[in-house]
Amino acid sequence: QVHLVESGGGMVQPGGSLRLSCAASGFTFSDYGMHWVRQAPGKGLQWVANIWYDGSNPCYADSVKGRFTISRDNSKNTLYLQMDSLRAEDTAVYYCVKDPHSGYFDYWGQGTLVTVSS
Amino acid sequence: DVVMTQSPLSLPVTLGQPASISCRSSQSLVHSNGNTYLSWFHQRPGQSPRRLIYKVSNRDSGVPDRFSGSGSGTDFTLKISRLEAEDVGVYYCMQGTHWPPLTFGGGTKVEIK
Repeated sequence: QVHLVESGGGMVQPGGSLRLSCAASGFTFSDYGMHWVRQAPGKGLQWVANIWYDGSNPCYADSVKGRFTISRDNSKNTLYLQMDSLRAEDTAVYYCVKDPHSGYFDYWGQGTLVTVSS
Repeated sequence: DVVMTQSPLSLPVTLGQPASISCRSSQSLVHSNGNTYLSWFHQRPGQSPRRLIYKVSNRDSGVPDRFSGSGSGTDFTLKISRLEAEDVGVYYCMQGTHWPPLTFGGGTKVEIK
């Protein structure tokens, strides 16, 4: 059974940094692309970043480009999101999401809350 | 960016009655490979989203057959044939044909009338 468990969320001041992790199990992690998707309190879903199965071709939403870095360690079955220069508008629950071989977003983690506030 | 527009915003439905949600994209979602990457997700209060439908009309494993997806090009529909209590929550459509970015609709809140 697929399990995705995010961690690393918390409260941080504007301009600060956080690193989110997503521990994956129940599937061959190195075979699948992965994403981060976020949801601001009471709002809809916003795609944040994607990385291919082998760690190549990271891509980002314009709103986080240059501030966030997605990466993965296939030896540890873990996905990461390094978030720098955080802003109040980055406050959200961040979900780790797996892609199937064809299509998108077949499994979601439970999410981790990031709050950016002074 | 492809804009996804859902309607209605809110949908009160009597238990056992049908429900229908519309999703329109700002451009055709037919990929050059012939696939149409339009998915539907359901999010119950306090839970993570769950995918229900992928590539317009394919139900995910474990999704009841009262859920169906249809449409083509720029117009898509999610139908629930008979609403059950567990179906309340917010439904989102999402396109994966033209990205980055992957884009979601704004959501439709389904509640019991």
